[in-house]
Amino acid sequence: KAGVTQTPRYLIKTRGQQVTLSCSPISGHRSVSWYQQTPGQGLQFLFEYFSETQRNKGNFPGRFSGRQFSNSRSEMNVSTLELGDSALYLCASSLYVDTGELFFGEGSRLTVL
Amino acid sequence: GENVEQHPSTLSVQEGDSAVIKCTYSDSASNYFPWYKQELGKRPQLIIDIRSNVGEKKDQRIAVTLNKTAKHFSLHITETQPEDSAVYFCAANQAGTALIFGKGTTLSVSS
Repeated sequence: KAGVTQTPRYLIKTRGQQVTLSCSPISGHRSVSWYQQTPGQGLQFLFEYFSETQRNKGNFPGRFSGRQFSNSRSEMNVSTLELGDSALYLCASSLYVDTGELFFGEGSRLTVL
Repeated sequence: GENVEQHPSTLSVQEGDSAVIKCTYSDSASNYFPWYKQELGKRPQLIIDIRSNVGEKKDQRIAVTLNKTAKHFSLHITETQPEDSAVYFCAANQAGTALIFGKGTTLSVSS
């Protein structure tokens, strides 16, 4: 069974630009979560979606947004990029609605210059 | 919301020694506590988890203990091997809430 797929894997943007990252969950998984990973800060929660509805949202500014489509694929968007947005963005899917194992993708590494 | 603190941030051990990583959580309603391992350049993967209805769970060389009264849980790795070198993350949540991670522990096992 195919794992979680994230695209693009690497991208370079400049300050002020916007970026869209995509995540395709494992087939049958309807829950998708997004995390930002930076050195020393661990995995910081961005959002969680289930059946096209945002269930939870982390403490990130409104420049960070996301959505989920009817086929469970998810996208996240960051507008007006700042240098501090440089990070690895990880998507994870889950079979369970509540608590259970998260299956992570390999991430999208964003560099903001 | 939930807050998870993890210690130490780095841990160096000799091959064959034991390693212990500790986490505390803030939300007494949390009842699910997984541990993830992230090798260099790889994605995080679940290695063991525990729910609040048990105090300890073991899987070969790894074990997790949970103290709900004190709101802390720990990962124990025995007979460490070089392939145990990685970043380990603890996390906590309850049904309907986001899984919140600690900041990670970089474990280095030298032979």
